[in-house]
Amino acid sequence: ETGVTQTPRHLVMGMTNKKSLKCEQHLGHNAMYWYKQSAKKPLELMFVYSLEERVENNSVPSRFSPECPNSSHLFLHLHTLQPEDSALYLCASSPDRLPDTQYFGPGTRLTVL
Amino acid sequence: QKEVEQDPGPLSVPEGAIVSLNCTYSNSAFQYFMWYRQYSRKGPELLMYTYSSGNKEDGRFTAQVDKSSKYISLFIRDSQPSDSATYLCAMSAFRGSTLGRLYFGRGTQLTVWP
Repeated sequence: ETGVTQTPRHLVMGMTNKKSLKCEQHLGHNAMYWYKQSAKKPLELMFVYSLEERVENNSVPSRFSPECPNSSHLFLHLHTLQPEDSALYLCASSPDRLPDTQYFGPGTRLTVL
Repeated sequence: QKEVEQDPGPLSVPEGAIVSLNCTYSNSAFQYFMWYRQYSRKGPELLMYTYSSGNKEDGRFTAQVDKSSKYISLFIRDSQPSDSATYLCAMSAFRGSTLGRLYFGRGTQLTVWP
């Protein structure tokens, strides 16, 4: 699990705040993913980056803004979130866009007040 | 209709029991099937991976895929308290392409009590 790290592990923010989630992978992978995990719901794929290029954006509201400055780092910038955005945000990486080889980080537990 | 259906449980069994976890799916194009285990306050970790129909065994874990019924299973033999976690099924239609995304079930919460 230390192959993919996420910070912070917990975040509480107001609806007017701006914050960022950080993900770093130490596995030499070239694809990175953001997922949202809500209670009793399947994991929702939010964004996919391959070789630092965004290749997928699954109709995510614009209040979520990803950034991938290099193949080891992925950010999720948050602004004017809603309480329903409270969830566990998981980052994953894979050596290519191979679905069966995704390695997940521990997640950031986000609470929006 | 959801792509992948999985009973969220919770499922509670005594130590040593055989556990059966299941998922059904609707997309006949799925051919890669995975089981992930997620401990509390951790990210999911890949437990088993199978391609197309058939069985795969790894220690106490056996994964089964029945594509004709669109049904997959994970069996845990001689279950241990350390197996207590949420088990997520996942599946995909393609590999290594822009279509190679994973579709997840909701996860089944399992507790094995001593």
